This record gives sequence, structure tokens and C-alpha cells, in this order.
Amino acid sequence: ETGVTQSPTHLIKTRGQQVTLRCSSQSGHNTVSWYQQALGQGPQFIFQYYREEENGRGNFPPRFSGLQFPNYSSELNVNALELDDSALYLCASSSGTSAYNEQFFGPGTRLTVL
Amino acid sequence: TQLLEQSPQFLSIQEGENLTVYCNSSSVFSSLQWYRQEPGEGPVLLVTVVTGGEVKKLKRLTFQFGDARKDSSLHITAAQPGDTGLYLCAGVRAGNNRKLIWGLGTSLAVNP
Repeated sequence: ETGVTQSPTHLIKTRGQQVTLRCSSQSGHNTVSWYQQALGQGPQFIFQYYREEENGRGNFPPRFSGLQFPNYSSELNVNALELDDSALYLCASSSGTSAYNEQFFGPGTRLTVL
Repeated sequence: TQLLEQSPQFLSIQEGENLTVYCNSSSVFSSLQWYRQEPGEGPVLLVTVVTGGEVKKLKRLTFQFGDARKDSSLHITAAQPGDTGLYLCAGVRAGNNRKLIWGLGTSLAVNP
């Protein structure tokens, strides 16, 4: 059984640029959630994808967008990067959309915006 | 306002000491989860508690869910350097199973 993987591991961008982060969900999981985590803080929910549709969104602006593919892998896109977007971006997969379903996290992508 | 308050925010102790971290709320939760996150990794689920007053043990870690299901604690006995990490609580509020609520975490450093 393959766990959740994310790419790239680290990324450096400059203000105003765009970035795409990728996540492969654990085998058998159809739901992917994305989180932003500042250093030493808890994860902040960005959005969740289920069956290729967005299924819930946190308090993030529209320049944060996503996709889910038929194989349940997912992308997070961030446009017009700002310095405050520097964070660890975590992807978690689960077997359903309920918060009771255990989420399995990937190692994250560390994004630095200069 | 943070729905789940974790305390302390930071904790630095010597190997062999005991410690307790807390996760408190004014809301009732159907379940609470505890995670540990090590540097460069995603959070890993340690335990889920669902019944008021429930106590679960995982080796040297003891987890308790408050009787009113508004709070939880994690007690570590004889801490070891391998226990170092960010401890996060997350919960499902009663009546709203669509969203997992996260605390801000307790950063624990166990010094040899």
C-alpha cells in the first residue's frame, strides 16, 4: 500500500508568481484535503476535493484553487503569490468526506516566497 | 477565536520528566484526535477518543477525553528525546461532521 506523496519537497518562488503543488492519495482513498501550516502552528484547512469536485473550503481567497483527477490525485494552485503564502502545504487523503474518516498526511511541500 | 485551545504552546523538558498537554474548548466535540508531527513530516494520528471520560493508553502516552467532551489531555510519562515534536489536537464538533477543527499545537522538546 502506497502512502500519500507530495511534490515537490521544497520550492522557492518570488512575489507575484504562480505555483502548482501535487499530491498522490493513498490507494483506495477518494478524498483529498489541502492544508496550509505556518511554522510551529496547526494546519489551516484550504479545501477538500471529492470525485473531482471541490467539497468545502476554508477561509482562503480565490487565488487558491485546486483540481482532482480521475485517479484521485490532486493539485493545489496558488496565483499571485504573496510573502505570507510562505508555509508548509500538506495534503491528506481519506476514504470519505466525513471528518470522522481518518486522514493520512503526506510529508508536505515547503514553499518559500521571496 | 480558536475553537480548540492548546496549552502550553511550547514545552522544553529533560529526558525522564513527565508532562501533560491540554486541549480545551467551550464547544462539545463528538470525537477528538491527537497527532504528532515531526520536522519535515506530516501529522501522524496517535489516537481518537469518542466517549466522555474515556482514557486510552499508547505505551507511555495516556490520553483522556473530558466527561463533558469539551476537553482532552495528553500525558507523557518518562519523556524521551524521540517524543520531541509538535502535538496537535483536532476534533469533530457535535452536529457538524463535515469539518475537522484543529488546535494550534504544543511544540515539545525533550532534551537528553
